This record gives sequence, structure tokens and C-alpha cells, in this order.
Amino acid sequence: AQSVTQLDSHVSVSEGTPVLLRCNYSSSYSPSLFWYVQHPNKGLQLLLKYTSAATLVKGINGFEAEFKKSETSFHLTKPSAHMSDAAEYFCVVRISGTYKYIFGTGTRLKVLA
Amino acid sequence: EPEVTQTPSHQVTQMGQEVILRCVPISNHLYFYWYRQILGQKVEFLVSFYNNEISEKSEIFDDQFSVERPDGSNFTLKIRSTKLEDSAMYFCASSDPGLAGDPGELFFGEGSRLTVL
Repeated sequence: AQSVTQLDSHVSVSEGTPVLLRCNYSSSYSPSLFWYVQHPNKGLQLLLKYTSAATLVKGINGFEAEFKKSETSFHLTKPSAHMSDAAEYFCVVRISGTYKYIFGTGTRLKVLA
Repeated sequence: EPEVTQTPSHQVTQMGQEVILRCVPISNHLYFYWYRQILGQKVEFLVSFYNNEISEKSEIFDDQFSVERPDGSNFTLKIRSTKLEDSAMYFCASSDPGLAGDPGELFFGEGSRLTVL
């Protein structure tokens, strides 16, 4: 069965330092992968998506993610954290051949001043 | 910019009552979804809907739940007899088939918070 695993439930970084949020997937086929962000009391906003084109995907607000098939990973990175990046981040996989999108358990990012 | 809209933003109901949550997906989208997020927990898939029928549903989506697209714009989630454990944020989403028929990414509404007392 296809799934995603977010390895860290909480990540804390200082403002201006790099961000790394980890996601591993399991899939028998070439997956469609996404990262969404949820700010407090807000809806879910797409950061970026991978759908079998370039393996390095650039998203909004300076985020990017690299699809690594050999490691079954799709980690989210940002070179320099901003206070406004504090939020919950979800890695999502679309199960091939279906309309079912599965969310990871989420990583709460805290940015320290 | 087109967006998914949901009403109500917050609903409080008594256990055993019926609740209808409403969503207006993005107008040219063809795939529709409901997800829920119990406070502090992960976002859980409930159901997907395409071509006026359910495409996929999870084990959460039992006989107490139903979905409907009553007209060309609305997409509703009905819970027939609410339980305490139905208290959650319910998110509606829609997606665009794209050129190759791939559902693409999900566009979410802001959510409807349901509180069952």
C-alpha cells in the first residue's frame, strides 16, 4: 500500500537558518507527491508538487523539494527560515490510478527569533 | 483567483442531529473531495467524487455519511446522526483533470469546524 511517513513531528530552527522537513514514501509506481502548509486556523495551501517531471521542484515562498527515487524520499527544504514559515507542513501522496490522496502525520515547524 | 468556499465556518450541533456541510468547488474542476482533521491529528481522507458518483471512500466514510452534488456548483457532505467523535474540521477540496486527465493537486477550502455536544 502507498503511504507517506514524516519522520519528525516537530522541528525548531532559528530565523535565517536552513529548514529541512523529511518525508519518505512507499509506492510501487512513480508517485505524485505534494507538500502542503497549514497556518494556524487556516486551510491547506499547496507549496509544491512532483508529478514525474524534474526531480528538483521549486515551490512558493522559497521552498523546494527533491524527489529521490533511490531513497524513496521527498524532503522539503528552504535555505533561510522566516518567522512567517511557522506552520504545520504535510507531505501528501496520490495513490496511483486513484483519486485518493494520503496525508502524512504532519511536521510542526517552529521558527525562533 | 478562483477558490473553494465552504459554509458554515463553524457549526455546533447536538449528538444525534443531522448536519450538512456545504462546499462550492472551483468552477471548472471535476474532482471533489472531503477530508477531516480531528483537533491535533492528521488530515484524513473521507471520500472522492467524480462524474456524479463516489470514486473512492475510506473506512471512516460509513453509512452515516453521504455526499451529493445537487446542482452545478455545490458539493455537500451530510452526516445523518452525529456522534461526539465526528467533531473535527472538515475540508472540501477540488482538482482539475489537467491535459493528461491526471487529477493534479488539490485546492482546499478554509474548512468547516463541526462541534458535536
